Amino acid sequence: AQKVTQAQTEISVVEKEDVTLDCVYETRDTTYYLFWYKQPPSGELVFLIRRNSFDEQNEISGRYSWNFQKSTSSFNFTITASQVVDSAVYFCALTSGTASKLTFGTGTRLQVTL
Amino acid sequence: SAVISQKPSRDICQRGTSLTIQCQVDSQVTMMFWYRQQPGQSLTLIATANQGSEATYESGFVIDKFPISRPNLTFSTLTVSNMSPEDSSIYLCSVLTGLSYEQYFGPGTRLTVT
Repeated sequence: AQKVTQAQTEISVVEKEDVTLDCVYETRDTTYYLFWYKQPPSGELVFLIRRNSFDEQNEISGRYSWNFQKSTSSFNFTITASQVVDSAVYFCALTSGTASKLTFGTGTRLQVTL
Repeated sequence: SAVISQKPSRDICQRGTSLTIQCQVDSQVTMMFWYRQQPGQSLTLIATANQGSEATYESGFVIDKFPISRPNLTFSTLTVSNMSPEDSSIYLCSVLTGLSYEQYFGPGTRLTVT
């Protein structure tokens, strides 16, 4: 069985602070894919990143960066210099095998204030 | 990525009635899925919509309650039957394009059952 744990239910930061959202996953498969999605108040789910299990290289995209560590089964997401527009619920998700079904974590609500 | 639209975007329905949600993609996709997001909760997969055959349902979801059609590679419908207030949720369709394992979501349908 697969499982994704996002232990942080809610995080509040002041604008320009850096913030890291944690994601820990469980799977017995050796090939799998990890994702981060953003869900702003409008409700739409926005794809942010996909990482496969063979690629442990960290990735940076503008103010966003991701740290994938197989040794600790973690795929953490950092927002540098947070902005009010970053306020949203962020979901970490996992899929493996050929079914492509996503298993989601419970989400972390990020509130960025001025 | 794919452009995905859903109709209706929201609806308020009475208990005991049924609602059909449409999902349209602007290009042919390999797989389509339907998810449910109950208020304040994470996303749960309802079923995989298979083109030309019966959908594959996840544990806890049955065809009589959530009949799904997928007549071609760009369109699918989900019906929520005999609705009760517990069915009040956001229903999202998602698509998998090619072999990238990147799954994109439609804007969702906000359903309220009174």
